[in-house]
Amino acid sequence: DGGITQSPKYLFRKEGQNVTLSCEQNLNHDAMYWYRQDPGQGLRLIYYSQIVNDFQKGDIAEGYSVSREKKESFPLTVTSAQKNPTAFYLCASSTLGQSEQYFGPGTRLTVT
Amino acid sequence: GENVEQHPSTLSVQEGDSAVIKCTYSDSASNYFPWYKQELGKRPQLIIDIRSNVGEKKDQRIAVTLNKTAKHFSLHITETQPEDSAVYFCAPGAGNKLTFGGGTRVLVKP
Repeated sequence: DGGITQSPKYLFRKEGQNVTLSCEQNLNHDAMYWYRQDPGQGLRLIYYSQIVNDFQKGDIAEGYSVSREKKESFPLTVTSAQKNPTAFYLCASSTLGQSEQYFGPGTRLTVT
Repeated sequence: GENVEQHPSTLSVQEGDSAVIKCTYSDSASNYFPWYKQELGKRPQLIIDIRSNVGEKKDQRIAVTLNKTAKHFSLHITETQPEDSAVYFCAPGAGNKLTFGGGTRVLVKP
């Protein structure tokens, strides 16, 4: 299981609150990613970063924000502007170029 | 952006039979074609990938074939076993950005 970790595994929040999901990797990977997975569906890219202090929006960035202050860390904040935040969030990392993405165990966020 | 479709969405096979999943994509710039397997409640894991200069790649019971002209690639699993039961995702991409298909749920019946 080592290499890329996410915490916590389960997270519960009230509507209107911002929440930050943690993602850390010790694989020395340059690129990191955040995906959202809804039940019975594929993964949709939220944000990705190829280098420290730089990141790009994915297909569903609205209502989310990220930072990449360290190579090892890529936290995701789910803001109150995200209309349907309840989902399974997966973080991944990879080397640059066409390469395997290694996934963390995921965080299941429930907002009520 | 990239439009990715997988077929079928569900596939039930008898143990020992073969399974084939097809992935079609729209972006001609895609040059990397991986398949991921996700077991229930777990993280996706890469099972095989192919790059656009290769037409076919095999790894034991798993193979991927690519038709870049027609913009599709397929996952082939032979001699299926119960542990092959999972959801499979194609994720074509260029550079570091992948676009995942909607997934195919495979059930191998003993």
